[in-house]
Amino acid sequence: DQQVKQNSPSLSVQEGRISILNCDYTNSMFDYFLWYKKYPAEGPTFLISISSIKDKNEDGRFTVFLNKSAKHLSLHIVPSQPGDSAVYFCAASAGGSNYKLTFGKGTLLTVNP
Amino acid sequence: NAGVMQNPRHLVRRRGQEARLRCSPMKGHSHVYWYRQLPEEGLKFMVYLQKENIIDESGMPKERFSAEFPKEGPSILRIQQVVRGDSAAYFCASSRATSGDFPSSYNEQFFGPGTRLTVL
Repeated sequence: DQQVKQNSPSLSVQEGRISILNCDYTNSMFDYFLWYKKYPAEGPTFLISISSIKDKNEDGRFTVFLNKSAKHLSLHIVPSQPGDSAVYFCAASAGGSNYKLTFGKGTLLTVNP
Repeated sequence: NAGVMQNPRHLVRRRGQEARLRCSPMKGHSHVYWYRQLPEEGLKFMVYLQKENIIDESGMPKERFSAEFPKEGPSILRIQQVVRGDSAAYFCASSRATSGDFPSSYNEQFFGPGTRLTVL
């Protein structure tokens, strides 16, 4: 029962181009969404988040878009840099237990110089 | 400005032994969370603790697993009589309390580097 799905295990992009990572969810109770980045042998690092009352949140090179009707969110990285190469996890939480993050399986992003 | 600390980083146990994983939250953080990541999977929530209290252990297996966060010292995740299926990366996260006893809706959890448990 996977409530948060990242259907692309990997993505390869050229430096300077846009990276788009996708995430779908099934639980309509989710109202807060987060993206984490993870390097090998390290823990996940918080990147950016969005509340369900918004459809876009931007922070520097990172923008997250939320389409509630489609239960879909995406992370855009522009321009992509080699240092962005990592595994990206989409996570979600639901109101009353907002501390309980439900993670997707992750997408390995490789940015080629 | 130390982040979340976990030790050991790697732990090897034989079937039937006990595993103890330790987590020291970031300074100023009073909420601790444990997650488990099985191979090729995302992180799965196990338990949420505050000092001396288990708030939500809905993700913990009913047997052999326990967690504590004492008044003094690190949080401990204990796995008794380990089996091969317990082999995974175990991540601890911490966050600060804002108003009341619960984290804010901006639930930024800071993760430690994880403990990789291997059961032979």
